[in-house]
Amino acid sequence: GAVVSQHPSWVICKSGTSVKIECRSLDFQATTMFWYRQFPKQSLMLMATSNEGSKATYEQGVEKDKFLINHASLTLSTLTVTSAHPEDSSFYICSARGLAVTGELFFGEGSRLTVL
Amino acid sequence: GDSVTQMEGPVTLSEEAFLTINCTYTATGYPSLFWYVQYPGEGLQLLLKATKADDKGSNKGFEATYRKETTSFHLEKGSVQVSDSAVYFCALVPYKAAGNKLTFGGGTRVLVKP
Repeated sequence: GAVVSQHPSWVICKSGTSVKIECRSLDFQATTMFWYRQFPKQSLMLMATSNEGSKATYEQGVEKDKFLINHASLTLSTLTVTSAHPEDSSFYICSARGLAVTGELFFGEGSRLTVL
Repeated sequence: GDSVTQMEGPVTLSEEAFLTINCTYTATGYPSLFWYVQYPGEGLQLLLKATKADDKGSNKGFEATYRKETTSFHLEKGSVQVSDSAVYFCALVPYKAAGNKLTFGGGTRVLVKP
């Protein structure tokens, strides 16, 4: 199947700093990417949907100024956690859907963020 | 709103044992139902899916049947292997939803011992 890669797979940062997580579709063009957040022993919660070249659509309760999403190309979307705080510590997962892979989402391996 | 509930893990089994992971959902209409699997260190992968009532999805020896009357989509495998150790997620996409917006269950960790 198609491959989606996230980087970094884990990151530790100090409170108040910003962290960028990349999501790349390696062998297909992803017109739509989704960002999820997973708390320990809980479901994946959809944070936002991003379409290449347009602004992301955020789910209710997700702060768009806190979680900046950019989908500048058909193979790359980035999630930037701005002014991170310990409560932002979580597992962030992206998924991608492309024109050539209708109906199926492909997921990255996830990025674990720990804010000290 | 839509929701998915699946049994909490971890589920620990011996090789060749029978595996069942329960999944029930709450949604209007006829959602599409999915099982995803996440092996250690990897991203989620689609395991199987069903798009209408009474459909049976199957893959790699796993099966799940879309039961509208009980709003369930339980995952089963007759004889598990050590390589089946993973986290399994039940998920749905609402009827006619755009963009494949998935709602996930909490995940069930399965550990198969030799």
